[in-house]
Amino acid sequence: EDKVVQSPLSLVVHEGDTVTLNCSYEVTNFRSLLWYKQEKKAPTFLFMLTSSGIEKKSGRLSSILDKKELFSILNITATQTGDSAVYLCAVEAGGVSSGTYKYIFGTGTRLKVLA
Amino acid sequence: GAVVSQHPSWVICKSGTSVKIECRSLDFQATTMFWYRQFPKQSLMLMATSNEGSKATYEQGVEKDKFLINHASLTLSTLTVTSAHPEDSSFYICSAEPIAGGRREQYFGPGTRLTVT
Repeated sequence: EDKVVQSPLSLVVHEGDTVTLNCSYEVTNFRSLLWYKQEKKAPTFLFMLTSSGIEKKSGRLSSILDKKELFSILNITATQTGDSAVYLCAVEAGGVSSGTYKYIFGTGTRLKVLA
Repeated sequence: GAVVSQHPSWVICKSGTSVKIECRSLDFQATTMFWYRQFPKQSLMLMATSNEGSKATYEQGVEKDKFLINHASLTLSTLTVTSAHPEDSSFYICSAEPIAGGRREQYFGPGTRLTVT
């Protein structure tokens, strides 16, 4: 059975701290791994990772994928209160022969940044 | 660009009635749309994958006769919760993937909060 597990489930830090969020997966026919930020309603896209060892960076956020060990991390440096949200990891997995694919979401990490 | 809308944003209905939720891609065409359900403080659970012009693919444990999905055009998919019960109360989110573009990325709608009384 395909599964995506995130840790920790929740995290409380102070502004300026650096946090590392983890995502491990076991899926059939891995295609990509995505990170999303969900504040109140719809998740917003952060990163898509398909290749191992290549860091993707956007401002204070960065992410990297390890396809051998089947995990990804999301780093946030110099956290701000606006970073408070649920961070979701999703893995795109699909049948090669059937052409169908789907997204399996992890449990999410709830991050709270205190002023 | 890449905006997905959902209607209604929230709905309250009585037990036994049916509710239709629309998901529209406003500025792009989407062959594939996904329907998710999210319980409070939990992650998104994929319910079904909707492909334009063909039957939806439902995830294990999701009743296809209860959650009817229709993807009639490249910009619209609908989810109908039939004979709704209080346990169907949840946050339903759709996402859509643009046809064009080399990078596959799903864009989420704002969600529909359904409360069944």
